[in-house]
Amino acid sequence: QVQLQESGPGLVKSSQTLSLTCTVSGASIGSGSYYWTWIRQPAGKGLEWIGRIYTSGSTNYNPSLKSRVTISVDTSRNQFSLKLSSVTAADTAVYYCARAAASAMDVWGHGTTVTVSS
Amino acid sequence: EIVLTQSPDFQSVTPKENVTITCRASQSIGTSLHWYQQKPDQSPNLLIKYTSQSFSGVPSRFSGSGSGTDFTLNINNLETEDAATFYCHQSSSLPYTFGQGTKLEIK
Repeated sequence: QVQLQESGPGLVKSSQTLSLTCTVSGASIGSGSYYWTWIRQPAGKGLEWIGRIYTSGSTNYNPSLKSRVTISVDTSRNQFSLKLSSVTAADTAVYYCARAAASAMDVWGHGTTVTVSS
Repeated sequence: EIVLTQSPDFQSVTPKENVTITCRASQSIGTSLHWYQQKPDQSPNLLIKYTSQSFSGVPSRFSGSGSGTDFTLNINNLETEDAATFYCHQSSSLPYTFGQGTKLEIK
């Protein structure tokens, strides 16, 4: 059974870089044809697709965040990561990692709350 | 960017009722439309992929249909455990987008 778990600081200061890691268990991140994806959800609001990384390492990002976001993968640790630079209060949200088989996201982490403080 | 608009935003229903949630895309997306259920304080769960394919383990009372720009999620014989917010999601073109959500309250 594949499981994903997000980890990282729950509090980030404004203008700094948010860094989160998603650890995959129950499957090898380097095998299979999957997109490893980040999504976020501000409190009480809807879902926003941040971006994804393919098993090969190729990435796609949401243009609304593209200049600030980097997604990378570490197959030796079975993890993939999100970095979001120059954060503001608008980046405060629950951040989810998910696996996309083709394009539907079939496995999600529990989410981690990140608050940007001034 | 493709905009997905769901209706209604909120619906209050009683157990055993049937419910239809609609999702309209700002341009044709074929059948690249998926549905998720998010219960309070939980992560979303995939219900339906590619418009009408039920995801493994999802009760048969959930079904989906549509194509092009208009899609529906049907929930038959509602149960109290179905209380949640439902989101549609398109994977036809990047960036992928979600509908604003439909909150379902079970009376």
